[in-house]
Amino acid sequence: GQNIDQPTEMTATEGAIVQINCTYQTSGFNGLFWYQQHAGEAPTFLSYNVLDGLEEKGRFSSFLSRSKGYSYLLLKELQMKDSASYLCAPRDELSFGAGTTVTVRA
Amino acid sequence: AAGVIQSPRHLIKEKRETATLKCYPIPRHDTVYWYQQGPGQDPQFLISFYEKMQSDKGSIPDRFSAQQFSDYHSELNMSSLELGDSALYFCASSLVGGKETQYFGPGTRLLVL
Repeated sequence: GQNIDQPTEMTATEGAIVQINCTYQTSGFNGLFWYQQHAGEAPTFLSYNVLDGLEEKGRFSSFLSRSKGYSYLLLKELQMKDSASYLCAPRDELSFGAGTTVTVRA
Repeated sequence: AAGVIQSPRHLIKEKRETATLKCYPIPRHDTVYWYQQGPGQDPQFLISFYEKMQSDKGSIPDRFSAQQFSDYHSELNMSSLELGDSALYFCASSLVGGKETQYFGPGTRLLVL
């Protein structure tokens, strides 16, 4: 997705917190998805935001600001299994950003 | 819970051959999406169907076609295969009207030799 911007890589240690930012530009807006994808596997749905604010789901939270075209995914209490790519996907784009590869180290 | 089913899981073809990938959505899901993901790349949206009609079109080559059948399963037909078509092909399904969360199938890994 050419109109989606995420950092390419992030590294953190087990137990830490990491915030993955996503900025987007769309002509319309009907929500934004976050997906997790392990190498060679299908994306897995994490969250969907359509209204401004923070949505919390266990260790993962997602925030949206529609006026700023900005979202972030917050991963808390990182575990080794959280090492994966995290994809930001505005619904109207029907595509994904290049994803952020998160590496969790012991 | 039932998930999206894709078949075959792996497929090897030679250049200029044809391939058909199948996708069976989660029961009661009425929307199907097809994505292509090359090595080290993000998923690229190809095409989607809602209630058996094409709803959105992305970067699907003219050599490819797809359709959704009355039982909501979908098939992606790929002709005149090229080496660059080697990729993971994901199908996702969703229920329009809800949060339209897309649930992905395990993917079909296509290798064109």
